[in-house]
Amino acid sequence: EAGVTQSPTHLIKTRGQQATLRCSPISGHTSVYWYQQALGLGLQFLLWYDEGEERNRGNFPPRFSGRQFPNYSSELNVNALELEDSALYLCASSNRAEAFFGQGTRLTVV
Amino acid sequence: AQSVAQPEDQVNVAEGNPLTVKCTYSVSGNPYLFWYVQYPNRGLQFLLKYITGDNLVKGSYGFEAEFNKSQTSFHLKKPSALVSDSALYFCAVRVPFSGGYNKLIFGAGTRLAVHP
Repeated sequence: EAGVTQSPTHLIKTRGQQATLRCSPISGHTSVYWYQQALGLGLQFLLWYDEGEERNRGNFPPRFSGRQFPNYSSELNVNALELEDSALYLCASSNRAEAFFGQGTRLTVV
Repeated sequence: AQSVAQPEDQVNVAEGNPLTVKCTYSVSGNPYLFWYVQYPNRGLQFLLKYITGDNLVKGSYGFEAEFNKSQTSFHLKKPSALVSDSALYFCAVRVPFSGGYNKLIFGAGTRLAVHP
């Protein structure tokens, strides 16, 4: 069974640009969480989708947005990139019992 | 407020010694508790979970965790640490959310350093 896949693995953008990160959950999982992890520190909760709807949002500005598609895959969009957006972005999929993580997308803003 | 706390930013252990990484929680009702491990530049890997039953839960790589309801704790343990256990460890709890959904809340993480 395939795990959670995230693409791209690495992404380099210029300040002010937009970044799109993608996540494919484990088959049968309807819930997707997005987290930001800067400098190997703790996980900052970004967004949570379940069954196509945004269920909860962390304390991030509106330029962080996303969506979940009918097949439960998800996109995270970051507009007007800032240098401090450089981080590892982790996606987790859940069947509401436990969560499994992808390997993350390393976003670097220069 | 429902939360998870990992009181130690870092734990240092000599190889071969037992290790404990602490986690306490504040959740209404019966908690579902989890431990994850993160190696450098990698995603989080599931280690173990407690849902119900025996308070001592065994997981991957020789790790185990003890659920203590009276102390609202779920400490991660291993009898004999390996240098390769050095990583970042996250405790998480599943909490009820509106609409009948459940949300995962993570602790801030504890960095485990095992020295030869």
